[in-house]
Amino acid sequence: AQKITQTQPGMFVQEKEAVTLDCTYDTSDPSYGLFWYKQPSSGEMIFLIYQGSYDQQNATEGRYSLNFQKARKSANLVISASQLGDSAMYFCAARRGNNRLAFGKGNQVVVIP
Amino acid sequence: KAGVTQTPRYLIKTRGQQVTLSCSPISGHRSVSWYQQTPGQGLQFLFEYFSETQRNKGNFPGRFSGRQFSNSRSEMNVSTLELGDSALYLCASSLAAGGLTEAFFGQGTRLTVV
Repeated sequence: AQKITQTQPGMFVQEKEAVTLDCTYDTSDPSYGLFWYKQPSSGEMIFLIYQGSYDQQNATEGRYSLNFQKARKSANLVISASQLGDSAMYFCAARRGNNRLAFGKGNQVVVIP
Repeated sequence: KAGVTQTPRYLIKTRGQQVTLSCSPISGHRSVSWYQQTPGQGLQFLFEYFSETQRNKGNFPGRFSGRQFSNSRSEMNVSTLELGDSALYLCASSLAAGGLTEAFFGQGTRLTVV
């Protein structure tokens, strides 16, 4: 089974600053997808960004970017210019071909004004 | 373009009852996966359906079952409910099965078993 590791404790971030959330994954499959999701207190799992294992460029979506280091099996999420609405749990996930999403335990982020 | 729709949003059931949750994926998406989220266990995979066929199943008892219809809508059923089944149930929609496609979630159904 895949293992996704998110080890950072809860984080407080100053509004307008950038924050990096760490994620490492464990797979020997050459073909996989990496995902980041945001889950506010309402419970909805909001898709943020996706990186395919064969993608040469790091994925970016607005203020979100994924720092993909394949050799290190690392897929860190960078949120630039944090906003109060960014306060949430953030989950890293990975999926191999024909397989399920495996999630990390999540990172709690609180943005303070 | 409508997102993933899960109904109902909230449910309260009594131990021993059964429950059916519904998920309508994004139009054109043929893969639907279900996950259970609890504070203790985190997010756990239940099962995945693609073109009306169950392709993957997680480590849950047989009380948990699902199906997918020809229009890609999916239902999951939990029979003989236990207190430990209280959780947020999330459904994910993908264009196709497999790792190299994006997966979008619905708002979830929060089930409370009393």
